[in-house]
Amino acid sequence: DTAVSQTPKYLVTQMGNDKSIKCEQNLGHDTMYWYKQDSKKFLKIMFSYNNKELIINETVPNRFSPKSPDKAHLNLHINSLELGDSAVYFCASSQDWEGELFFGSGTQLSVL
Amino acid sequence: KQEVTQIPAALSVPEGENLVLNCSFTDSAIYNLQWFRQDPGKGLTSLLLIQSSQREQTSGRLNASLDKSSGRSTLYIAASQPGDSATYLCAGRETSGSRLTFGEGTQLTVNP
Repeated sequence: DTAVSQTPKYLVTQMGNDKSIKCEQNLGHDTMYWYKQDSKKFLKIMFSYNNKELIINETVPNRFSPKSPDKAHLNLHINSLELGDSAVYFCASSQDWEGELFFGSGTQLSVL
Repeated sequence: KQEVTQIPAALSVPEGENLVLNCSFTDSAIYNLQWFRQDPGKGLTSLLLIQSSQREQTSGRLNASLDKSSGRSTLYIAASQPGDSATYLCAGRETSGSRLTFGEGTQLTVNP
């Protein structure tokens, strides 16, 4: 009964490949997020969607493209992967754009 | 732009001790502040959310306070247990709908 679930948990890939990470929440929340946690464990927001509309788009390379087919899903597609993209990516959701955040368990991306 | 700082970066205490984790933020116009714990290799678990109109929130052995005028929040853990060992993160939201800015966390170790 995972509230925020993301797949895959681990993703190992070669430089230059394109990959996607999927996220789903069953909490009925309106807002979803993607965060990146670097090797120093610092968390930084990448994107936020509210009711399928993009509301936060940080300074992220346009190789990263979020897609929200419906309120319960926010997927992250990454083109032309680079070594520096290696990190843990977390999906999160909240009832609305000012509410308490609930996180998924993370996707550890390793680019070789 | 909101900046969040957590000191100390790491803390080691014997079991049973009461302890305080500190979180400082630069902009007193904070909308709400959330405390999380992160276990190694896991996602973030929400502990407490304090709205700007509140001074503190309690959940079990945890008590979080918010002092906007001094730009500080504290997380008090009573009667610490080895199971409390984790990294504790605070995150502040500057205005309604804005991004949640995270501190770098305090890594807590409770020794049996």
